[in-house]
Amino acid sequence: DAGVIQSPRHEVTEMGQEVTLRCKPISGHNSLFWYRQTMMRGLELLIYFNNNVPIDDSGMPEDRFSAKMPNASFSTLKIQPSEPRDSAVYFCASSSQGRTEAFFGQGTRLTVV
Amino acid sequence: GENVEQHPSTLSVQEGDSAVIKCTYSDSASNYFPWYKQELGKGPQLIIDIRSNVGEKKDQRIAVTLNKTAKHFSLHITETQPEDSAVYFCAADYGQNFVFGPGTRLSVLP
Repeated sequence: DAGVIQSPRHEVTEMGQEVTLRCKPISGHNSLFWYRQTMMRGLELLIYFNNNVPIDDSGMPEDRFSAKMPNASFSTLKIQPSEPRDSAVYFCASSSQGRTEAFFGQGTRLTVV
Repeated sequence: GENVEQHPSTLSVQEGDSAVIKCTYSDSASNYFPWYKQELGKGPQLIIDIRSNVGEKKDQRIAVTLNKTAKHFSLHITETQPEDSAVYFCAADYGQNFVFGPGTRLSVLP
């Protein structure tokens, strides 16, 4: 398996634009996590899905952020409108159950100017 | 909720020496404690984990110990090598997800 695949690897956008980050989890995994990493706040869980259903989105910073998982092999994280303070590395991770090891993708480095 | 603390935030060791990173957690219900290594420009990679039914686990130069009573767990790297230089994160399970520590930047000096 190729592991967790995220796209794009880098995204630079202007403030106010919509940004969509994509994730393909490892085949057979039924839990998917979206994390944000910054120097100031470290790794923060934004939302996680179990069997394509959002379980906990309490980490989503505000209504500008939304996430979907239309099927077991694809998830998106959308920011609309984007702001400079959203600049960070966004990671997607998946695991086979919710409580065992999670495997991370390479991340998407987002820069909002 | 769960809170995971990690110390030190930075650690420099000479090649060949040992490195120890310590974490504490707050939720006594946590039972799974993974350690991740993150190299520059990459995502965190699982390097070792331990579950609450064991006190120690070893994998070559890496070992993890767990004191569930004290809610402490530690990562031990022996015979450090330059390629061990990275940021290391501890984590604890919380419900169906994980809470990560703030990370330790380890530098192994040749």
